[in-house]
Amino acid sequence: DTEVTQTPKHLVMGMTNKKSLKCEQHMGHRAMYWYKQKAKKPPELMFVYSYEKLSINESVPSRFSPECPNSSLLNLHLHALQPEDSALYLCASSSTIDQPQHFGDGTRLSIL
Amino acid sequence: AQSVAQPEDQVNVAEGNPLTVKCTYSVSGNPYLFWYVQYPNRGLQFLLKYITGDNLVKGSYGFEAEFNKSQTSFHLKKPSALVSDSALYFCAVSVPHGNNRLAFGKGNQVVVIP
Repeated sequence: DTEVTQTPKHLVMGMTNKKSLKCEQHMGHRAMYWYKQKAKKPPELMFVYSYEKLSINESVPSRFSPECPNSSLLNLHLHALQPEDSALYLCASSSTIDQPQHFGDGTRLSIL
Repeated sequence: AQSVAQPEDQVNVAEGNPLTVKCTYSVSGNPYLFWYVQYPNRGLQFLLKYITGDNLVKGSYGFEAEFNKSQTSFHLKKPSALVSDSALYFCAVSVPHGNNRLAFGKGNQVVVIP
């Protein structure tokens, strides 16, 4: 069992839909991350929240909108996605930079 | 900026034989080094880390890694591979004051042959 919980596990959506991915951790970590991962490739950093504030946006298209409602929750709002956005979306959290990031099992997103 | 190289795409090893997965890094300053493993349809699982101190670090599932500053390497090793070790392995590096950014290598697929 992972300590970072992501929902849903799978999501299929059309290009005009709006959906949200959710991530939750109760380890007291103050940094939370969104990554995009294609098959057999390393995770690509999308966003970093530190103490509930957005600290890194890796030039991600605006059709991806992150939100950090509180220190335990992280959302990723999706709108008007493209087929190339189909991927595994991973959430992670960490306490400090010298400690490992803890990953959830991801949401597998398919865009029709 | 920090970077990681994992030179091999796939590592094949017979069950019971030693397993080595190679990693070299490039950073300005002292590195924080990590190994993660990913099984199919799962997230990344932390195996071990080097921050400071003893160059030989031991981690989960019998894995260990040796930090070599002169060769800027952090190779992952296991004395006797199991079929269940077949997975995708990622080396990663960050630096102090690095804004929580973790740089990953491209990954190595490990196949343990029964």
